[in-house]
Amino acid sequence: QVQLVESGGGLVKPGGSLRLSCTASGFTFRDYSMAWIRQAPGKGLEWISYITSGDPTIYYADSVKGRFTISRDNAKKSLYLQMNSLRTEDTAVYYCARSLRWRFDYWGQGTPVTVSP
Amino acid sequence: EIVLTQSPATLSLSPGERATLSCRASQSVDGYFAWYQQKPGQAPRLLIYDVSNRATGIPARFSGSGSETDFTLTINSLEPEDFAVYYCQHLSNWAFGGGTKVEIK
Repeated sequence: QVQLVESGGGLVKPGGSLRLSCTASGFTFRDYSMAWIRQAPGKGLEWISYITSGDPTIYYADSVKGRFTISRDNAKKSLYLQMNSLRTEDTAVYYCARSLRWRFDYWGQGTPVTVSP
Repeated sequence: EIVLTQSPATLSLSPGERATLSCRASQSVDGYFAWYQQKPGQAPRLLIYDVSNRATGIPARFSGSGSETDFTLTINSLEPEDFAVYYCQHLSNWAFGGGTKVEIK
């Protein structure tokens, strides 16, 4: 069955960097667009980045544009999020999700990121 | 940029009752509208897509409707496992609404 497993979260100081990974299984990864969505503690969902399949087109939310970079490695069936210049407001659980057409039909369990001095 | 506003923020109901959740878009939108359910400590789960289509494995008590700026998720006869937070979403910037918590009265 479809599985998405995130990793790479942790505690980092403001201004620091982290690289999140999402490993996919149970479907043909290269055929699907993928996304990162985050959820700050006690808050709602915030979409932050999207990468299409094929020759990828990439989108970012304004809140992370210029600081975060999404990428994918179809051979490794993996999605990545390079996060630089982290701020305290980036503290959240980060989910990767598969996009079927435009909707998010499968989600990983999430990886927590804490940005704190 | 489309903004989605969900109401009410909290809905207190008893098992067996009907839940009606609303999501209003800041401008008229097309049919690329979805609803998700999230339980504490879990990832969100897709319930409804393209306004009214149930996702795979979603029970028939969940239904979606609406058009232009007003969209509704209806849960007929709430089951204990339905008490959760529900989010609406539109294709535009993949925006999410702020969520409605359905709690046990």
